[in-house]
Amino acid sequence: GENVEQHPSTLSVQEGDSAVIKCTYSDSASNYFPWYKQELGKGPQLIIDIRSNVGEKKDQRIAVTLNKTAKHFSLHITETQPEDSAVYFCAASSGGYQKVTFGIGTKLQVIP
Amino acid sequence: ETGVTQTPRHLVMGMTNKKSLKCEQHLGHNAMYWYKQSAKKPLELMFVYSLEERVENNSVPSRFSPECPNSSHLFLHLHTLQPEDSALYLCASSRNGGGNTGELFFGEGSRLTVL
Repeated sequence: GENVEQHPSTLSVQEGDSAVIKCTYSDSASNYFPWYKQELGKGPQLIIDIRSNVGEKKDQRIAVTLNKTAKHFSLHITETQPEDSAVYFCAASSGGYQKVTFGIGTKLQVIP
Repeated sequence: ETGVTQTPRHLVMGMTNKKSLKCEQHLGHNAMYWYKQSAKKPLELMFVYSLEERVENNSVPSRFSPECPNSSHLFLHLHTLQPEDSALYLCASSRNGGGNTGELFFGEGSRLTVL
């Protein structure tokens, strides 16, 4: 089955700096890579996703890159703000009833 | 507000109790899911229902029993649980039941503590 590794597990940055979270996956059949943000006391919420036919996708201050050859994908947050503080999960899916394999999560703390 | 509502938000139960978690989605989605979230572990998929039919059961112990009476409601019946079952149980829904077509919409979770 699919295995998704995510690092770092915790990340502290100063407000205004950039944050990068990296993930690797094992199943070359995976073709959909969503990122979820989970705030304290809430369920995860999709913030951005990328499909295997695209190398990069950007939405305002967040961007995701995908290297299919190396089976790596990353989340980039620029100009971080305190409200970006949360746990971020990467995931990979090869289809079939939304069978999504999640990474272990990265707790991001943005220091004002 | 994600359109997925879970009750109760917190539940404490003894190992001999029987309780149920409830999930309701107001999004018109066709698929519903139960996930288990434990500290320092990835989200674990437990069950998937597509059009009210169970399509995934990830080797979950029989002390967890799901029920999907219609496409908007999902239950997780709990009985004779173990302390290691203490976790956050997340319900999710998606527009389609097959293929990786996109977003999972999660509820806020039910925090379960087994004494």
